[in-house]
Amino acid sequence: DTGVSQDPRHKITKRGQNVTFRCDPISEHNRLYWYRQTLGQGPEFLTYFQNEAQLEKSRLLSDRFSAERPKGSFSTLEIQRTEQGDSAMYLCASSPQGTETQYFGPGTRLLVL
Amino acid sequence: SQQGEEDPQALSIQEGENATMNCSYKTSINNLQWYRQNSGRGLVHLILIRSNEREKHSGRLRVTLDTSKKSSSLLITASRAADTASYFCATDWYSSASKIIFGSGTRLSIRP
Repeated sequence: DTGVSQDPRHKITKRGQNVTFRCDPISEHNRLYWYRQTLGQGPEFLTYFQNEAQLEKSRLLSDRFSAERPKGSFSTLEIQRTEQGDSAMYLCASSPQGTETQYFGPGTRLLVL
Repeated sequence: SQQGEEDPQALSIQEGENATMNCSYKTSINNLQWYRQNSGRGLVHLILIRSNEREKHSGRLRVTLDTSKKSSSLLITASRAADTASYFCATDWYSSASKIIFGSGTRLSIRP
């Protein structure tokens, strides 16, 4: 399978715990994006990487959120001290240089109890 | 806040009919994209139209763009049950072409 993959697909955690999600983009896509989507809404942009550089970060991304893409391939999104309001679908997308089309992964659904 | 807003929020039509969804946005753009999302397959890119284009076709899809009105429409002709999904328009920010902003979507249901 050569699409974008995300792991885990589902995560249930207790409030206050830390969680980490992983995204593996399509091979050779140098751009990688994270979004958050709540029920009935469109995806909200969180952050963007070009290769290993994090070039943009939404104001939605509080200091409890951090994302990395250490070698310009896979990326991780960590949420520290989770809150119930963090419950959402976290989507990852990638795109190759020279195109605006984004290819999305299946998402990680987070439930914070 | 969302850059794009779709209208209607929900649409139910008979199989075989055409479905039209509209999107309005607020700021200048380089391009506008439409994506489809259903529970089984996640978000899938449908079509991209650039700011200097007025109309674009892809199979049963027809997209128009009116930059003077800051609006776009997506027409799906001869609808099928498999078209049941949520449809989102997504615009880039003119000053930040790396980021796209999604609207809240139109939920389309196709009745057999």
